[in-house]
Amino acid sequence: GDSVTQMEGPVTLSEEAFLTINCTYTATGYPSLFWYVQYPGEGLQLLLKATKADDKGSNKGFEATYRKETTSFHLEKGSVQVSDSAVYFCALSADSSASKIIFGSGTRLSIRP
Amino acid sequence: GAVVSQHPSRVICKSGTSVKIECRSLDFQATTMFWYRQFPKQSLMLMATSNEGSKATYEQGVEKDKFLINHASLTLSTLTVTSAHPEDSSFYICSAIGGGTKNIQYFGAGTRLSVL
Repeated sequence: GDSVTQMEGPVTLSEEAFLTINCTYTATGYPSLFWYVQYPGEGLQLLLKATKADDKGSNKGFEATYRKETTSFHLEKGSVQVSDSAVYFCALSADSSASKIIFGSGTRLSIRP
Repeated sequence: GAVVSQHPSRVICKSGTSVKIECRSLDFQATTMFWYRQFPKQSLMLMATSNEGSKATYEQGVEKDKFLINHASLTLSTLTVTSAHPEDSSFYICSAIGGGTKNIQYFGAGTRLSVL
């Protein structure tokens, strides 16, 4: 079945460091791909998404490119801030209605001042 | 963006009791709501999908009689964990789809259930 694998955390970086959180997926067909973020004490929020191969999703300085050839959707940010500390979830949906989302296990990111 | 409120955020109960968790869409009508369960350091696992006014659709392996879901209105769904046992201790998260953003799920903050 469809699945998502993302790098285990926790990831600890200094402020202004470059961030990469790896995510690969397994799916039949052409899923939509998502990154969700969960700040402490809050619900999951959609950070960015891409719906077809070579699409780049971007938001708040974060980017991820839908790579069909490597079945990947790595999350990157050039310069992280303390406020980026959160848990990040990679996810996929095989249908356009997003009614069935499969999540990765989440990566906890901590940024040191 | 759309707001989904989940209550309570944390609950501790004795084994054998039942616990109700509420999920409300505050500023939109949720035609579909979802209930997830998350074990420590694991993915969110979909438990069931509920549509307003109809019976919930449960994922394989989820006990319908253990996890009762009611979606009585377009803004409220409830999950009742009946006769809770320590193995039911987990983090439960709801989400909702509706309004003008049918292809995005909006999530609640989750409820941490601890069964003693």
